[in-house]
Amino acid sequence: EPEVTQTPSHQVTQMGQEVILRCVPISNHLYFYWYRQILGQKVEFLVSFYNNEISEKSEIFDDQFSVERPDGSNFTLKIRSTKLEDSAMYFCASSAGGEQYFGPGTRLTVT
Amino acid sequence: RKEVEQDPGPFNVPEGATVAFNCTYSNSASQSFFWYRQDCRKEPKLLMSVYSSGNEDGRFTAQLNRASQYISLLIRDSKLSDSATYLCAVSGHSGTSYGKLTFGQGTILTVHP
Repeated sequence: EPEVTQTPSHQVTQMGQEVILRCVPISNHLYFYWYRQILGQKVEFLVSFYNNEISEKSEIFDDQFSVERPDGSNFTLKIRSTKLEDSAMYFCASSAGGEQYFGPGTRLTVT
Repeated sequence: RKEVEQDPGPFNVPEGATVAFNCTYSNSASQSFFWYRQDCRKEPKLLMSVYSSGNEDGRFTAQLNRASQYISLLIRDSKLSDSATYLCAVSGHSGTSYGKLTFGQGTILTVHP
């Protein structure tokens, strides 16, 4: 069964550093998403991406965040200058136009 | 009012019990509804979509009430493996943009022997 994959599974970084989280969506899906979940809190939407552009973004997704689909398979989330409050699980999801399927997540720890 | 609201529980039930969860949503324009389950520190896994006509998948039944803006999930004959957090998710979409999922905070279920 096809699935969304994410790397790395855990990333530790220092405050102010740039991080890139990587995702490989399900191959025939056209819609891609990033969500995050701070420990003990609910899953929150960050951004959706379709046809090589952002289709919707949340208030969380400020100028420090960017997304890219650099080739036909990868979908990345970049945080330019990490803050302590960016520590969370980051989930990538993809969809063919209905149900969204989530990857296993990257645990980002900012120290 | 929160966009998507769930009773956080926890629900502690014995094996074999029937348990029901409700979820309310505030945006009447919402178009798609889902139940996910999430195990500790894992990703949300899609359990089922929720349709106006209701749908059933084995021991799981989901219902949608658009007039009252709530969805429900019924689990019959609970198993130990059903222990998880159950997330309600709602989305709307317009044009060609399939929109964000808005999640509730989740309902914790523990099934004990």
